[in-house]
Amino acid sequence: DTGVSQNPRHKITKRGQNVTFRCDPISEHNRLYWYRQTLGQGPEFLTYFQNEAQLEKSRLLSDRFSAERPKGSFSTLEIQRTEQGDSAMYLCASSLLGGSPLHFGNGTRLTVT
Amino acid sequence: GDSVTQMEGPVTLSEEAFLTINCTYTATGYPSLFWYVQYPGEGLQLLLKATKADDKGSNKGFEATYRKETTSFHLEKGSVQVSDSAVYFCALSPQGGSEKLVFGKGTKLTVNP
Repeated sequence: DTGVSQNPRHKITKRGQNVTFRCDPISEHNRLYWYRQTLGQGPEFLTYFQNEAQLEKSRLLSDRFSAERPKGSFSTLEIQRTEQGDSAMYLCASSLLGGSPLHFGNGTRLTVT
Repeated sequence: GDSVTQMEGPVTLSEEAFLTINCTYTATGYPSLFWYVQYPGEGLQLLLKATKADDKGSNKGFEATYRKETTSFHLEKGSVQVSDSAVYFCALSPQGGSEKLVFGKGTKLTVNP
């Protein structure tokens, strides 16, 4: 169990640019989740996948956000035309099916200037 | 909608003191309840959970009891250590599983020697 890996750890970008984050879940985990955490707040659910299928998206996930999980392995989260309000920690988590605990990565911290 | 409210921090205690972090929730149906912990520089980790009323979750000396009548899941530890210094998040799963967790804002605990 090497844990959930997220890259990059930090990303600084200018407003209007596109950014992409990557998450590598624990290898045998079928479910993969994205959360966003802003300063002083708890994580907020964005979306989750079961294998390669994206099963649910939060209303927080605007049209500028897109997530993929090709082949049911790693996942990417892309933010197009970034805004300052997108500055946050983006967390990835994975789990086995059936309500097992979520294992979180250390997150990618995005700063939009 | 579903929500979690936890006591405002930060909380500062001396080693061996008794810890209580209050958590109350609002949810329809029968949610599962969780406490996650985030140690400095690390990702969120599941500390304990309870899936039905009157269940007690416990781990590493921490305990929390699912109280449906008071919609609470308070975290307690009888004797804290410096190594318990972290941010603690109360969370619920509206559907009883692990997906789509709803988190509280977190409570930062500092334990001094």
